[in-house]
Amino acid sequence: ETGVTQSPTHLIKTRGQQVTLRCSSQSGHNTVSWYQQALGQGPQFIFQYYREEENGRGNFPPRFSGLQFPNYSSELNVNALELDDSALYLCASSLGGTGGATEAFFGQGTRLTVV
Amino acid sequence: AQSVTQLDSQVPVFEEAPVELRCNYSSSVSVYLFWYVQYPNQGLQLLLKYLSGSTLVKGINGFEAEFNKSQTSFHLRKPSVHISDTAEYFCAVSAQGGSEKLVFGKGTKLTVNP
Repeated sequence: ETGVTQSPTHLIKTRGQQVTLRCSSQSGHNTVSWYQQALGQGPQFIFQYYREEENGRGNFPPRFSGLQFPNYSSELNVNALELDDSALYLCASSLGGTGGATEAFFGQGTRLTVV
Repeated sequence: AQSVTQLDSQVPVFEEAPVELRCNYSSSVSVYLFWYVQYPNQGLQLLLKYLSGSTLVKGINGFEAEFNKSQTSFHLRKPSVHISDTAEYFCAVSAQGGSEKLVFGKGTKLTVNP
């Protein structure tokens, strides 16, 4: 059973650029959630994908978008990067349809720095 | 909507001492409760969860937590900590019957000193 893997692990972007982060979910999981963790803060929910459809969104602007593919891997895209987007981005995979009771398995995260 | 408050941002303790990390939550619906641990430069790992049944739940690495519905609390405890327990601990909730969205507290940094 493979775990959740994210790529890249670190990257540096310039304000105004666009970035794509990737996540491979754990085998057998059909749900991927993305979280933003600013320095010294808890993770904040960005959005969730369940069976390739968006299934909930947090308080993030539309320049944060995502995709889930048929193999349940996922991408997070951020357009028009701002300095405040600097954070650790965490991907979590889980088995959806359990009404919130299932364990989420997290990747190691992508550290994004916007300069 | 749900919110989670972790009352202590930092907790320093000596090795082999007991520790309690406090968590309170607010929600208009019933919730499931979780504790996650984050070691430096790593993702989050589940320590334990409360879904239903006995209010005292046991997790990995000797941790346990007690759900108190009347006080809307879910405090994490360990009777004797080790240096290796030094990490950030996050309390989280998800709405029963909802998606797998987690609402996290701001975290408690546990530092175990020799």
